[in-house]
Amino acid sequence: QAGLTQPPSVSKDLRQTATLTCTGNSNNVGNQGAAWLQQHQGHPPKLLSYRDNNRPSGISERLSASRSGNTASLTITGLQPEDEADYYCSAWDSSLSAWVFGGGTKLTVL
Amino acid sequence: EVHLVESGGGFIQPGGSLRLSCAASGFSFSTDWMHWVRQAPGKGLVWVSHINSDGSTINYADSVKGRFTISRDNAKNTLYLQMNSLRAEDTAVYYCAREVGSIDCWGQGTLVTVSS
Repeated sequence: QAGLTQPPSVSKDLRQTATLTCTGNSNNVGNQGAAWLQQHQGHPPKLLSYRDNNRPSGISERLSASRSGNTASLTITGLQPEDEADYYCSAWDSSLSAWVFGGGTKLTVL
Repeated sequence: EVHLVESGGGFIQPGGSLRLSCAASGFSFSTDWMHWVRQAPGKGLVWVSHINSDGSTINYADSVKGRFTISRDNAKNTLYLQMNSLRAEDTAVYYCAREVGSIDCWGQGTLVTVSS
């Protein structure tokens, strides 16, 4: 099953802004919107946002998500060392009747 | 607080079977969709299967269709994944997860290693 496309890695300096992207198609991201998850090494994923820009309680306001057509974006402002992690996007694909994930982006905070 | 605890992982030879369990607590298990998602060592997340609240709607990833079976026991607040005809490429940490709005809460995972 085809997945969503994410850049493998992004590097940004401390306190800068990082924007991560996730590209799908009209059956997944373009239809249902995307969710974003953060995963630190050795830990399960943690939901950061869903259906484009709904933030679960407790998620930092430094994180915001958006969508333009079939591409979803996650923006993290004021980067901190704890933001260094793998970030995954996911969406329900109505054509495949399956959830699809991106390959993940490793964010490095320099 | 939502709590999901997977069990049943281990080392198994190719062609063998395993049944994973996921004990749920802290939420209304019987009303929520539930998922299995796996992650091979050093790789990304891959969706495996999901099941609706009463078990009447089930979907699988193509890679496991015909080999894996998802089920649930709402009286026991437990989700299951029966895995048959296991292959080396099924080696992964298997996560149980809840869906409310999105796949929002995850267990710690259980490791399945398929090797001869």
